[in-house]
Amino acid sequence: SQELEQSPQSLIVQEGKNLTINCTSSKTLYGLYWYKQKYGEGLIFLMMLQKGGEEKSHEKITAKLDEKKQQSSLHITASQPSHAGIYLCGADRGGSEKLVFGKGMKLTVNP
Amino acid sequence: DTAVSQTPKYLVTQMGNDKSIKCEQNLGHDTMYWYKQDSKKFLKIMFSYNNKELIINETVPNRFSPKSPDKAHLNLHINSLELGDSAVYFCASSQGGGFGGYTFGSGTRLTVV
Repeated sequence: SQELEQSPQSLIVQEGKNLTINCTSSKTLYGLYWYKQKYGEGLIFLMMLQKGGEEKSHEKITAKLDEKKQQSSLHITASQPSHAGIYLCGADRGGSEKLVFGKGMKLTVNP
Repeated sequence: DTAVSQTPKYLVTQMGNDKSIKCEQNLGHDTMYWYKQDSKKFLKIMFSYNNKELIINETVPNRFSPKSPDKAHLNLHINSLELGDSAVYFCASSQGGGFGGYTFGSGTRLTVV
């Protein structure tokens, strides 16, 4: 069974719009990672969240981890074409020595 | 300086061939991984090594054999390549011990024809 569910699976927005991506786990997370991948390229680390209720921001991207540490959201403000790509959330269960990933969310930003 | 480097970036080969992908990290991390990303972009772990010892071996055909000569290197050898092996293979490293901080390589796009 898929441990991490990402929603939506894909999203097309107009430049300048705000958007939110969600990542939900059936189990408590030790750490939640957000990565971005452009086509044909590697994974670019965005943010890592570990504490319940934690929120981090970088430029126009804000990520939050809920108090129960089972759901995370990634919010992009005033989207730009450079934000386009596949967003992946990965979960670290602590001591498991691996990251489990969601299926990714493909974002298209139309100019 | 590249933190996690993989070679080659692209690999096109015929069915039945044997090929290797190399990975090196200069972060001083204890743990290294191989992940496979399929055509639907789903990223799934294959192997994990901690200080040259295998600690994770997911359900992967035994045609895939990882080798870690030292903790900075983790290579992936694939025997008798099949069409279904076509994917992007990512190497990654972390400090391990559940402390996170994963760094990924740029991937190797393997195409089996």
